[in-house]
Amino acid sequence: GAGVSQSPRYKVAKRGQDVALRCDPISGHVSLFWYQQALGQGPEFLTYFQNEAQLDKSGLPSDRFFAERPEGSVSTLKIQRTQQEDSAVYLCASSFSGANVLTFGAGSRLTVL
Amino acid sequence: AQSVTQLGSHVSVSEGALVLLRCNYSSSVPPYLFWYVQYPNQGLQLLLKYTTGATLVKGINGFEAEFKKSETSFHLTKPSAHMSDAAEYFCAVNSGYSTLTFGKGTMLLVSP
Repeated sequence: GAGVSQSPRYKVAKRGQDVALRCDPISGHVSLFWYQQALGQGPEFLTYFQNEAQLDKSGLPSDRFFAERPEGSVSTLKIQRTQQEDSAVYLCASSFSGANVLTFGAGSRLTVL
Repeated sequence: AQSVTQLGSHVSVSEGALVLLRCNYSSSVPPYLFWYVQYPNQGLQLLLKYTTGATLVKGINGFEAEFKKSETSFHLTKPSAHMSDAAEYFCAVNSGYSTLTFGKGTMLLVSP
């Protein structure tokens, strides 16, 4: 597609529910990144894929967070047993290679009640 | 390790005035530096980037930034602010790691 597409744009979850956030990167983009942006903060790195390989997941805050990109294109970020502190905007970005020219999606805003 | 500090969470200017948003970075190797802009309910859009070569970098919408190694700075400027420039601006650094590290952002407010 023309840009990075994320869905849903808005998600309200009750504490303890599982959520799944989808990212559809630009066609042909090899690298895919997930960031978490809390209110009033800059984006914080979560994880990075090169094709289907998850090369860096050092930013995932707990084992409740899991990301996959099984066919090297669409990626899903899953959060299990959501907590209030998980409330944030989750940004996906992609690039032809590496982190030097990223195209960001509009984000998925997660609110945990 | 790499880090970014943006001085001032909010900057207010009048339309037509100079815009100056400050960014200082920390990096153990020569960095690549970036400025992104974020409008409400939208993703981040790349304004400009410095990789190597000329230290004065021009970007979109009339913005420019100068890489000053001695000051570890990469401040963003625009000679004359427009109302449409009101947004949040993020400085970011890549020091050879697999990802960008962002600052906390500066909200630019433009008054008529």
